[in-house]
Amino acid sequence: AQSVTQPDIHITVSEGASLELRCNYSYGATPYLFWYVQSPGQGLQLLLKYFSGDTLVQGIKGFEAEFKRSQSSFNLRKPSVHWSDAAEYFCAVGKDYKLSFGAGTTVTVRA
Amino acid sequence: DTGVSQDPRHKITKRGQNVTFRCDPISEHNRLYWYRQTLGQGPEFLTYFQNEAQLEKSRLLSDRFSAERPKGSFSTLEIQRTEQGDSAMYLCASSYGGGTEAFFGQGTRLTVV
Repeated sequence: AQSVTQPDIHITVSEGASLELRCNYSYGATPYLFWYVQSPGQGLQLLLKYFSGDTLVQGIKGFEAEFKRSQSSFNLRKPSVHWSDAAEYFCAVGKDYKLSFGAGTTVTVRA
Repeated sequence: DTGVSQDPRHKITKRGQNVTFRCDPISEHNRLYWYRQTLGQGPEFLTYFQNEAQLEKSRLLSDRFSAERPKGSFSTLEIQRTEQGDSAMYLCASSYGGGTEAFFGQGTRLTVV
């Protein structure tokens, strides 16, 4: 069975500082991996995805993620956080037609 | 195209009542998914359509839940005899072709009182 673990429930970061969100997955084959962001009361917006190829993936809003097969990880990073990045972030793994999501990491940005 | 739209955005209902939600996917997308998200959790897969055919239902989808996608366009999700445990955000997503990149709507938040 596929599963996703996001070890950090909540992260607080200062504006302008770097951010890294951790994601570990369990999957029987090469997975498709995703990061989504959800602002309060909103649906999910896709930040980036990994299907195959280059293990460093660039996404929208200045985010990037690195796929490490040996560690079963797909961590999300941003070099310099903006106040508008405060939101909940979900890592997801999927194949075929459905996604399994982690429980999410809430990011708070302090001035 | 304005993306995936869901209606209503919010629904408050009394326990035991029936509710129906609507999802309009991105027009060229042939796949449509329903997810449920409870507070503090990630979305959980409920069911999936390819065109008008419902191809899989999660065990989370009890007999009180039914989903349809007539003509392969919009979809409805009905919950009969609602229970307090049904309170959640119901998300719809759509995608095109064989990939699993899904675009999500803003969801319908259901509160059962």
